[in-house]
Amino acid sequence: DTGVSQDPRHKITKRGQNVTFRCDPISEHNRLYWYRQTLGQGPEFLTYFQNEAQLEKSRLLSDRFSAERPKGSFSTLEIQRTEQGDSAMYLCASSLAFSGSEQFFGPGTRLTVL
Amino acid sequence: KQEVTQIPAALSVPEGENLVLNCSFTDSAIYNLQWFRQDPGKGLTSLLLIQSSQREQTSGRLNASLDKSSGRSTLYIAASQPGDSATYLCAVIRALQGAQKLVFGQGTRLTINP
Repeated sequence: DTGVSQDPRHKITKRGQNVTFRCDPISEHNRLYWYRQTLGQGPEFLTYFQNEAQLEKSRLLSDRFSAERPKGSFSTLEIQRTEQGDSAMYLCASSLAFSGSEQFFGPGTRLTVL
Repeated sequence: KQEVTQIPAALSVPEGENLVLNCSFTDSAIYNLQWFRQDPGKGLTSLLLIQSSQREQTSGRLNASLDKSSGRSTLYIAASQPGDSATYLCAVIRALQGAQKLVFGQGTRLTINP
């Protein structure tokens, strides 16, 4: 499968714990995006990378959230001291590096914070 | 600020009918508009992408149109089938330097009744 992959697919954690998600983009894609989707809503942008550089971060990305893409390939999204409000689907997408290029999404990671 | 609205929020039609889903956006300065399909608990599948210079795109039974000046797009589904049941999301990328994020509507939840 040459699409975008995400791991894990589901994560249940207790409030206050740290969690880390991984995203592997389509291999030739330079850009990688993270979005968050809560129930009944459309996805909301969190951040994006071009190669290893993080070029834009949303105000939704509080200090407890950090994303990395150290070698310009896979990316990780870490949430520290999780809160119940962090419960959501976390979606990763990738695209080629030109303006307005089509974004392709992975299956998402469903986070439940108890 | 770009805002994207989808009406109706939910739609239920009998199998075989042709139907139209609507999407409107407030800022006409866009690079492109994408239509996605999302099955319950799953990631997003890209259906059609319309560049800002295009008026429409077709894929099988799907046809998407774009009227940038009025800030509207429609997704036409011909001869609907129960397998078309899903949530349909539209999203735009604004034509701003560095602004590569997709801005989504809340989606239309479509149910095709056999």
